[in-house]
Amino acid sequence: DGGITQSPKYLFRKEGQNVTLSCEQNLNHDAMYWYRQDPGQGLRLIYYSQIVNDFQKGDIAEGYSVSREKKESFPLTVTSAQKNPTAFYLCASSMGGTIGEKLFFGSGTQLSVL
Amino acid sequence: AQSVAQPEDQVNVAEGNPLTVKCTYSVSGNPYLFWYVQYPNRGLQFLLKYITGDNLVKGSYGFEAEFNKSQTSFHLKKPSALVSDSALYFCAVRTGGKLIFGQGTELSVKP
Repeated sequence: DGGITQSPKYLFRKEGQNVTLSCEQNLNHDAMYWYRQDPGQGLRLIYYSQIVNDFQKGDIAEGYSVSREKKESFPLTVTSAQKNPTAFYLCASSMGGTIGEKLFFGSGTQLSVL
Repeated sequence: AQSVAQPEDQVNVAEGNPLTVKCTYSVSGNPYLFWYVQYPNRGLQFLLKYITGDNLVKGSYGFEAEFNKSQTSFHLKKPSALVSDSALYFCAVRTGGKLIFGQGTELSVKP
């Protein structure tokens, strides 16, 4: 069953703690994305990667880090520098390379601060 | 800068009535426009897209969208709303290697 898997579904972070959100896809997609969703603000792009071992900052990259060591995996670390991390985080992927392609989304991770 | 706006936070429609969810865009060059739907606590699902060609684009679940270049709009429509259409709808524009989303419109369809 092909798709994008995000884990965990719910995550809690303590003050000063780094936490990592997992995103795995078995669609053989080249491009992967991380978005943050806050109520009334839509989706904002954190980081994206168009190919393995390469990634670019999105609009709100501060306080976050990513890696893309494998094609199927694009983990997001929320560092202690992110002062307002409570949000719904969505991972997505696409084939990459064509302007009209659509994104496939995971089911999201809700991150909350303890 | 490329951007997309959804002027309505919420749209309320009676079941069986037509629905419209509005979207306007600002892009340089040709626009590549998308609509997605999100059900509670879920990821987004693709509905339809406009790349080129006919201004009326048909998509999933009976939805369609009309591209209007002169008004820079890409409104989502459905002739007869269902209660199950109640969800959060996002318009998006493609720029470079990424999608930029509007702030979303909550659609509520009442029986």
